[in-house]
Amino acid sequence: KQEVTQIPAALSVPEGENLVLNCSFTDSAIYNLQWFRQDPGKGLTSLLLIQSSQREQTSGRLNASLDKSSGRSTLYIAASQPGDSATYLCAVRGGGGSEKLVFGKGMKLTVNP
Amino acid sequence: DARVTQTPRDKVTEMGQEVTMRCQPILGHNTVFWYRQTMMQGLELLAYFRNRAPLDDSGMPKDRFSAEMPDATLATLKIQPSEPRDSAVYFCASGLQGETQYFGPGTRLLVL
Repeated sequence: KQEVTQIPAALSVPEGENLVLNCSFTDSAIYNLQWFRQDPGKGLTSLLLIQSSQREQTSGRLNASLDKSSGRSTLYIAASQPGDSATYLCAVRGGGGSEKLVFGKGMKLTVNP
Repeated sequence: DARVTQTPRDKVTEMGQEVTMRCQPILGHNTVFWYRQTMMQGLELLAYFRNRAPLDDSGMPKDRFSAEMPDATLATLKIQPSEPRDSAVYFCASGLQGETQYFGPGTRLLVL
């Protein structure tokens, strides 16, 4: 059974710092991995999707990497801003044709001005 | 700006009552998902449909939960009878097969 872990559960940093968020998963036979952002009281917004054949994806100040063999992904946020404050969730989709996503419990990020 | 919509946004009910949650997926999306989010368990998939047919409902308590897609523009999730442990935020998401899932704003359910 796939398990996804995000440590730490919360992080508070001053504005301007470069951040690395970690995600680990137990079964390396994945189809893809996604990073989502969730604002309080809102739904999830997809940030980046990495296919199993890819090593990284970039969007603006965000860069996500995937090391399937070691069961790890990182989300790098450059020059953090208060508007980046949210909960970040990692989710993996397994192989075999299922579209089921298995989520980590998320990391709550607070960027202080 | 296409979005997944969910109704109601908030629901408070008493134990034993029936609860119906509705979702309108993004037009053209052929895959619809129902998730439940709690502090303890995080986000869990309850069920999903492709082209209105249920593909996986293994995450759903069968005795009290049911999910349907009466047509391509409506998905429903019903709980009957509801219990306090069902209190959670229920999310609907839609997407095209194999691609990114787009989430709705959720229905916050409180069962007293």
